[in-house]
Amino acid sequence: QKEVEQNSGPLSVPEGAIASLNCTYSDRGSQSFFWYRQYSGKSPELIMSIYSNGDKEDGRFTAQLNKASQYVSLLIRDSQPSDSATYLCAVNLPYDYKLSFGAGTTVTVRA
Amino acid sequence: EAGVVQSPRYKIIEKKQPVAFWCNPISGHNTLYWYRQNLGQGPELLIRYENEEAVDDSQLPKDRFSAERLKGVDSTLKIQPAELGDSAVYLCASSPRLAAYSSYNEQFFGPGTRLTVL
Repeated sequence: QKEVEQNSGPLSVPEGAIASLNCTYSDRGSQSFFWYRQYSGKSPELIMSIYSNGDKEDGRFTAQLNKASQYVSLLIRDSQPSDSATYLCAVNLPYDYKLSFGAGTTVTVRA
Repeated sequence: EAGVVQSPRYKIIEKKQPVAFWCNPISGHNTLYWYRQNLGQGPELLIRYENEEAVDDSQLPKDRFSAERLKGVDSTLKIQPAELGDSAVYLCASSPRLAAYSSYNEQFFGPGTRLTVL
């Protein structure tokens, strides 16, 4: 079982719609969770961090964490063509102090 | 605030040749990471430094890879000799706090070095 799993996509959404990305993780003791955006040919850029159960909003982005279900998600509201990228879910492994990344979900926002 | 700096951005070499990558982390960041990212996959940790100490190098192929961070600031990752399978993007990241003191340690990535081994 992979430590962090994401749907690879591609996820295609119309401009202005909500894009919903999902991520599950295997280690119940994980404490911190991150979403990175990676444009083609570029490096990962941190867009959201979440540590507690519930929702965290930052502009058009909302991260949702459910530790009981070992599930973290990212919602992108009012999707724009500039949101077209691969989104990486990263989980801080307990007692190991390193990030484990999913393979990423590719999002395409069509005008 | 300047971000993580890496050089070179691109490198093309013949197999069996040596190659080195350089990274300068964000000023004041104690923890430095080297990752490798293959196409279509997430980054995978190669080595983590806290100040000048390599505290996690379990994923570093030590027969051909080496790294150093002599003064606890910038770092160099070397491959000698390179193999075809080493073609990937090598990413450097840094965190402001020592990982052992915080599991909420955000990591910030540099632009990466794209290595092609022919």
